[in-house]
Amino acid sequence: NAGVTQTPKFRVLKTGQSMTLLCAQDMNHEYMYWYRQDPGMGLRLIHYSVGEGTTAKGEVPDGYNVSRLKKQNFLLGLESAAPSQTSVYFCASSSRTYEQYFGPGTRLTVT
Amino acid sequence: AQSVTQLDSHVSVSEGTPVLLRCNYSSSYSPSLFWYVQHPNKGLQLLLKYTSAATLVKGINGFEAEFKKSETSFHLTKPSAHMSDAAEYFCVVIPYSSASKIIFGSGTRLSIRP
Repeated sequence: NAGVTQTPKFRVLKTGQSMTLLCAQDMNHEYMYWYRQDPGMGLRLIHYSVGEGTTAKGEVPDGYNVSRLKKQNFLLGLESAAPSQTSVYFCASSSRTYEQYFGPGTRLTVT
Repeated sequence: AQSVTQLDSHVSVSEGTPVLLRCNYSSSYSPSLFWYVQHPNKGLQLLLKYTSAATLVKGINGFEAEFKKSETSFHLTKPSAHMSDAAEYFCVVIPYSSASKIIFGSGTRLSIRP
């Protein structure tokens, strides 16, 4: 039982490049989330999903897109990376009672 | 607007002494409240959760938190700190039981002195 896994662990992008972060969970959770963590700001919700095929915006969705084609996977895309998107990205999953299980994070640097 | 405030950005205690990490929230409705811990370069781990069943909530690793509606507080405590408790702690509020309203506090870094 791996819990929540994230791929890749580290990435460096140049401004304007695109990339996709993959999150996978094996706990059969309905809900999945993408957050970014910046120093002194806690975690901020980017997008979330309450079920396969559904996604919704969180607090800071601009510049990101997501897809949830399979219940166990939640993808976060950056179409045109900007330096302001340099951050640590965390994926999480939960049942409907919101106890979230987090992945180990992806450290993204945009130069 | 809903919000959560962690009153201390950094707390330092000696090993074996009590720990108090403070969290205040504002919410129009009875919220779900959580504490998470994040060790360096790791993901977050759930410590405990309040959902109105009992005002005193016990979590993992000897931590507990008390929900005080009159004070809109959900402070985290532990009777005796251990070196392994050194980490960042986050208070989280979910008002209306809505995923779109999840709010993280800015975190409290707990340091333990030998």
